[in-house]
Amino acid sequence: QSVLTQPPSVSGAPGQRVTISCTGSSSNIGAGYDVHWYQQLPRTAPKLLIYGNNNRPSGVPDRFSGSKSGTSASLAITGLQADDEADYYCQSYDSSLRVVFGGGTKLTVL
Amino acid sequence: QVTLKESGPVLVKPTETLTLTCSVSGFSLSNARMGVSWIRQSPGKALEWLAYTFSNDEESYSTSLESRLTISKDTSKSQVVLTMTNMDPVDTATYYCARIKKYSPYYGMDVWGQGTTVTVSS
Repeated sequence: QSVLTQPPSVSGAPGQRVTISCTGSSSNIGAGYDVHWYQQLPRTAPKLLIYGNNNRPSGVPDRFSGSKSGTSASLAITGLQADDEADYYCQSYDSSLRVVFGGGTKLTVL
Repeated sequence: QVTLKESGPVLVKPTETLTLTCSVSGFSLSNARMGVSWIRQSPGKALEWLAYTFSNDEESYSTSLESRLTISKDTSKSQVVLTMTNMDPVDTATYYCARIKKYSPYYGMDVWGQGTTVTVSS
């Protein structure tokens, strides 16, 4: 069971906006630690998508955005495209000095 | 260009010890702000963080696997080694190493290796 909680799946039609939530606790997200998001396309290694709650690495489209509030964070994807279909993971740090991941969310583009 | 590449056995037997090597290039393991983390993913399952190490010997292990894991590094060879004892079929997974940073991202992993698949079976 993952420390951070994500919905198992979300879906949306091309062009739509979807959000993926990530819920933690007072020992990780709520303690002020940054939240990062990773995109894992089928049969590939994860790729950093959002870091530091709301920052995009070079090359990541601005259709992807992140936010954080309290013990939760969210990833938003606007203008949904077929090649956005992937698994998305949130990740943070814990006051036990350990890395923590969410259980992952499978995004289906209808 | 920063790259990481995992290597190790494809198949191990139950109770054996797994040794995986992560060879890095494009950054130095002596950089205080950058380290290496290991993450695994069982078939069809979520990412599971295993361990990390930094140049100042700062290390951390997954709570559930701490007793079985050891992480070490050879800075001169630009390699980080993860050993996992007493392997079991449930440890069958793809094992990734990734660069972990103390800043931007704060204890996040910005570059990942391609992963190496390990099967545990007699």
